[in-house]
Amino acid sequence: DTGVSQNPRHKITKRGQNVTFRCDPISEHNRLYWYRQTLGQGPEFLTYFQNEAQLEKSRLLSDRFSAERPKGSFSTLEIQRTEQGDSAMYLCASSLAGELEAFFGQGTRLTVV
Amino acid sequence: EDQVTQSPEALRLQEGESSSLNCSYTVSGLRGLFWYRQDPGKGPEFLFTLYSAGEEKEKERLKATLTKKESFLHITAPKPEDSATYLCAVQAHGGSQGNLIFGKGTKLSVKP
Repeated sequence: DTGVSQNPRHKITKRGQNVTFRCDPISEHNRLYWYRQTLGQGPEFLTYFQNEAQLEKSRLLSDRFSAERPKGSFSTLEIQRTEQGDSAMYLCASSLAGELEAFFGQGTRLTVV
Repeated sequence: EDQVTQSPEALRLQEGESSSLNCSYTVSGLRGLFWYRQDPGKGPEFLFTLYSAGEEKEKERLKATLTKKESFLHITAPKPEDSATYLCAVQAHGGSQGNLIFGKGTKLSVKP
């Protein structure tokens, strides 16, 4: 499968714990995006990378959230001290620079209990 | 503020009953408008990109059109497998290259 891959698909964690998600983009894509989607809503932009550079972060991305893309390939999204409000589907997408179409992975469903 | 509104929120059709979904948008300048399909528990699947008013794109039973204020996704003779949530998103000139602004989606159910 050459699409965007996200792991894990599901994560249940206790409030206050840290969690980390991984995204592997389509191999030739140099742009990578993170979005968050809650039930009944469309995805909301969190942050994006071009190669290893993080070019923009949304105001939604609190200090407890951090994203990295160290070698310009896969990316990780870490949430520290999780809260119940962090429960959502976390979506990763990738695209080629200069092209607008972004292709999404299957997402990681986070449940904070 | 850039905004996307989709209607209706939910649509129930009988198999073969054609209809349209609406996406109204307000942006400072449109770079592109996108349609995605999303099945429950999965990520959005890319369908179309439209760039300018008057443009149309087709794929199987789906046809997307664009005006200066809205886009329509026409579904001709739908089948049960077309049941999904259809998301519309825009990217604005002057905004972040990475920031797609999504609507809440239209949940389509097609009954046999």
